[in-house]
Amino acid sequence: SQQGEEDPQALSIQEGENATMNCSYKTSINNLQWYRQNSGRGLVHLILIRSNEREKHSGRLRVTLDTSKKSSSLLITASRAADTASYFCATGANSKLTFGKGITLSVRP
Amino acid sequence: DGGITQSPKYLFRKEGQNVTLSCEQNLNHDAMYWYRQDPGQGLRLIYYSQIVNDFQKGDIAEGYSVSREKKESFPLTVTSAQKNPTAFYLCASSTEGNTEAFFGQGTRLTVV
Repeated sequence: SQQGEEDPQALSIQEGENATMNCSYKTSINNLQWYRQNSGRGLVHLILIRSNEREKHSGRLRVTLDTSKKSSSLLITASRAADTASYFCATGANSKLTFGKGITLSVRP
Repeated sequence: DGGITQSPKYLFRKEGQNVTLSCEQNLNHDAMYWYRQDPGQGLRLIYYSQIVNDFQKGDIAEGYSVSREKKESFPLTVTSAQKNPTAFYLCASSTEGNTEAFFGQGTRLTVV
């Protein structure tokens, strides 16, 4: 079963706008991670947030984690056309990573 | 260059044949994973291994087999028992379970 469920499934924004993506999960986790995938390629790790952390930043990325609601959000600020990709959340628990179905982000120039 | 390499990039299989997908890493990672990706399905875990000579079934292990005889290598065999093998297969590794995973570029398997 897939642990994470991303929302929305697809997002289209204008370059320069912020993009917010959400992820909900069902069971206890050690950490939550976000990955990016360009079409037909492997995934690239973006950021990891541990279960005892509430917010983390990396460059234009900001991720939050609410373990009481079992949810996380990824914010990409000042989006660029090059941010166009699929984004996945993954939950780390029981020595494995479980991925959601992903969000397709399109950034229009 | 350190990294994780999958081969081949494209693979065609006739119905009833077994095929083996290669995954090699030189990152000195203990954990390795195989995922299957279908359109609209995200990534589904097939098998994972935390240490040499040990591996566990993931969510969709039926019709697949793996081995972990060396730390660097985690080959996946798609057997004839897998009824719908056409998909994009991704291998990943990490220092240990749960941590940041590094992915290969994938193998696209097509049944002809």
